[in-house]
Amino acid sequence: EVQLVESGGGLVQPGGSLRLSCVVSGLTLSTSWMHWVRQAPGKGLVWVSRITSDGKTVYADSVKGRFTISRDNAKNTLFLQMDSLRDEDTAVYYCARDGSWRLDPWGQGTLVTVSS
Amino acid sequence: DVQLTQSPTFLSASVGDRVTITCRASQGINNYLAWYQQKPGKAPKLLIHAASTLQSGVPSRFSGSGSGTEFTLTISSLQPEDFATYYCQQLNSSPLTFGGGTKVEIE
Repeated sequence: EVQLVESGGGLVQPGGSLRLSCVVSGLTLSTSWMHWVRQAPGKGLVWVSRITSDGKTVYADSVKGRFTISRDNAKNTLFLQMDSLRDEDTAVYYCARDGSWRLDPWGQGTLVTVSS
Repeated sequence: DVQLTQSPTFLSASVGDRVTITCRASQGINNYLAWYQQKPGKAPKLLIHAASTLQSGVPSRFSGSGSGTEFTLTISSLQPEDFATYYCQQLNSSPLTFGGGTKVEIE
């Protein structure tokens, strides 16, 4: 069974940084495409970033230049480094596997709150 | 960017009702469309991919159809556990985008 478990969320001041982790089991991270998706409180789903099996990355315009997606294949862990955080980055962040034109499964999410 | 417009935004229905949710794309997406169900405090769950392929383990009362720029999710007979918010997502081109969601509530 494939499982994804996020961690690293918390309260951070505007302008600060945070690194989210997503530990995966039941799949080989190095051969998988992976995504980050976020959801602000009471709002809809918003795609954030993707990394392919060969390491190519792409970002939503709203986070480009501030967020970095990466992975450690040996530790089967996906990361999202978030810098220059803004109030509007407050959200639950989910990692998800790209299973050929669909996101499945998803992790349980980790809450990031940006506030002074 | 591909815009996805879901309708309705809110739907009130009764157990046993047939429910249809529409997702319109601003341009063709080659049927790379997925549907997800989300309950409060939980992660989204994949229901349908490739516009009409039922994900393994999902009840057969859920179905997807459509092509080009117009797609639908149908629940043939609404069950108590189906009250949730539903999202469509296009995976044809980056940035991937989601529809705004449809909240299905008990009438």
